[in-house]
Amino acid sequence: SQQGEEDPQALSIQEGENATMNCSYKTSINNLQWYRQNSGRGLVHLILIRSNEREKHSGRLRVTLDTSKKSSSLLITASRAADTASYFCATMNSGYSTLTFGKGTMLLVSP
Amino acid sequence: EAGVTQSPTHLIKTRGQQVTLRCSPISGHTSVYWYQQALGLGLQFLLWYDEGEERNRENFPPRFSGRQFPNYSSELNVNALELEDSALYLCASSPRLAGGADTQYFGPGTRLTVL
Repeated sequence: SQQGEEDPQALSIQEGENATMNCSYKTSINNLQWYRQNSGRGLVHLILIRSNEREKHSGRLRVTLDTSKKSSSLLITASRAADTASYFCATMNSGYSTLTFGKGTMLLVSP
Repeated sequence: EAGVTQSPTHLIKTRGQQVTLRCSPISGHTSVYWYQQALGLGLQFLLWYDEGEERNRENFPPRFSGRQFPNYSSELNVNALELEDSALYLCASSPRLAGGADTQYFGPGTRLTVL
């Protein structure tokens, strides 16, 4: 069953622009994570934000979490062609160790 | 450090056959997770093994099963294959921490096509 829902489904931007992806979820969570997937291959973990955190940074990535709205956003600044991939949010519920993924946002960054 | 490995990379089977997919976790990781990524359906959690025991499974039919070996590697078995089983099967591993694991590290996946 899907927990997170990403928005938009697809995003096309130019190199150097910022990309923002949103994720909404339904139940209370322990943490929320963002993953990247290139060309239908394995997922790469990008960043984890815990339920008691509101914002987190990692390089060009900025993640926010609003537990009152059950939503998160991933901002990629100064995007590069190499950022072209699908991005998934995944939630880990309290008391569980399994992740529930959304359907992802396909990001295309054109040179 | 070697990452999560999966074999085979690609597999083509016919309806009704059985398939076994294999996963080796990162050294030191005791938890292994299996996910199915079918076209248009996103990633669906299948099974979680830790310390050789099945810890959790999603609502998939019993023809999806698996096991974890003493060296923490894992197999996913799918019997009586159906066309809709065509998907990318991803394995992930994590260290077993008190209160549950956080980050999962994914393998490259096995692409299964059922004809």
